[in-house]
Amino acid sequence: GAGVSQSPRYKVTKRGQDVTLRCDPISSHATLYWYQQALGQGPEFLTYFNYEAQPDKSGLPSDRFSAERPEGSISTLTIQRTEQRDSAMYRCASSSLPGLAGGGETQYFGPGTRLLVL
Amino acid sequence: GQQVMQIPQYQHVQEGEDFTTYCNSSTTLSNIQWYKQRPGGHPVFLIQLVKSGEVKKQKRLTFQFGEAKKNSSLHITATQTTDVGTYFCAGLRYGGSQGNLIFGKGTKLSVKP
Repeated sequence: GAGVSQSPRYKVTKRGQDVTLRCDPISSHATLYWYQQALGQGPEFLTYFNYEAQPDKSGLPSDRFSAERPEGSISTLTIQRTEQRDSAMYRCASSSLPGLAGGGETQYFGPGTRLLVL
Repeated sequence: GQQVMQIPQYQHVQEGEDFTTYCNSSTTLSNIQWYKQRPGGHPVFLIQLVKSGEVKKQKRLTFQFGEAKKNSSLHITATQTTDVGTYFCAGLRYGGSQGNLIFGKGTKLSVKP
């Protein structure tokens, strides 16, 4: 696609419910990233994928958070048993090449999914 | 853990004045990227610096990477109202995860016409 897309754009859920957020990266982009961005803060790394592989998920706040990218394109981020502190903007980004040693690649961000847990 | 500190948090300038934001890391970075996020928008890549002491310019924007690769700055000359937004630096830790970009908290720039 022309850019990174995310759905839904807004999600309101009740505490304790599970939510799944979707990211559709730029076509052929190898690497996909998930970030959590609180209001007035910078994006905080959650996890990333090189194709289907998930080399680093150290940023996931708890085991309630999980991400998948089974076919190396679309990715989902699932939050189980949501809590109010999970309320934030969840951003996806993609880049064209797997990260190279000592260098990074330009990341293209999607519009984000704003999650509100009541 | 590693942090990337960014100052100031807010900057209000009169149109035509200069603006600088500073980014400092507790550890050596392999590279640093700068992003701009307009109000209500998403971060948009501006530039990447890789080499020690590197300086890059984009029209009125000047980016620097420190000699020790622990700090960076973004300087805007003669600000315009179109420069309004939040500027984030983001660093990749040397020897760390290739995808784990650490973002600063950003400097929010407002420009009074």
